[in-house]
Amino acid sequence: DADVTQTPRNRITKTGKRIMLECSQTKGHDRMYWYRQDPGLGLRLIYYSFDVKDINKGEISDGYSVSRQAQAKFSLSLESAIPNQTALYFCATKQAGNTGELFFGEGSRLTVL
Amino acid sequence: ILNVEQSPQSLHVQEGDSTNFTCSFPSSNFYALHWYRWETAKSPEALFVMTLNGDEKKKGRISATLNTKEGYSYLYIKGSQPEDSATYLCAFYSGGYQKVTFGTGTKLQVIP
Repeated sequence: DADVTQTPRNRITKTGKRIMLECSQTKGHDRMYWYRQDPGLGLRLIYYSFDVKDINKGEISDGYSVSRQAQAKFSLSLESAIPNQTALYFCATKQAGNTGELFFGEGSRLTVL
Repeated sequence: ILNVEQSPQSLHVQEGDSTNFTCSFPSSNFYALHWYRWETAKSPEALFVMTLNGDEKKKGRISATLNTKEGYSYLYIKGSQPEDSATYLCAFYSGGYQKVTFGTGTKLQVIP
């Protein structure tokens, strides 16, 4: 089983619908992140959380919200999806500290029609 | 928004060829640089974590160097194999781990 699990892996929805992408991890890491990948662009940070009570906006947080339900769970919500939110979304975790690398989930491909 | 550039954007090499590509980043306020390999339909996986100017890291046939003063890192693959085909991403950390900027990646295809 993957250490960082994302659900759903693929989702097609319509404009205006509410969507939730879920992420769970078994690595015991405190830090969790949501990124978005668009063709021709680097991974861009949407939100990040250093622990259950510490949630921060990233570079492109508009139109998104998150919930850190537990140390192991970090959900990303699109309250009212729009077509330009069509993208590949990655959840990642990191151990607290100076040099830890990110551990990524397998991605959630979202299409908004 | 910091400017992190990777070049080339893509390349095709023959099996057995050696290759290298570049990640360029701002030379000020450097904190760390990571390299990731991202195979199609899989998760990006860390290759190297580099924090000091002059760092050289090696993992099998893949190695990386870091020059923080001039703002670049090179990734080298010696004797490319088809299983090396992937997109290679660099991630630049500035002023701490809160702020990270990813490059757009170099897509490598190794032709058998």
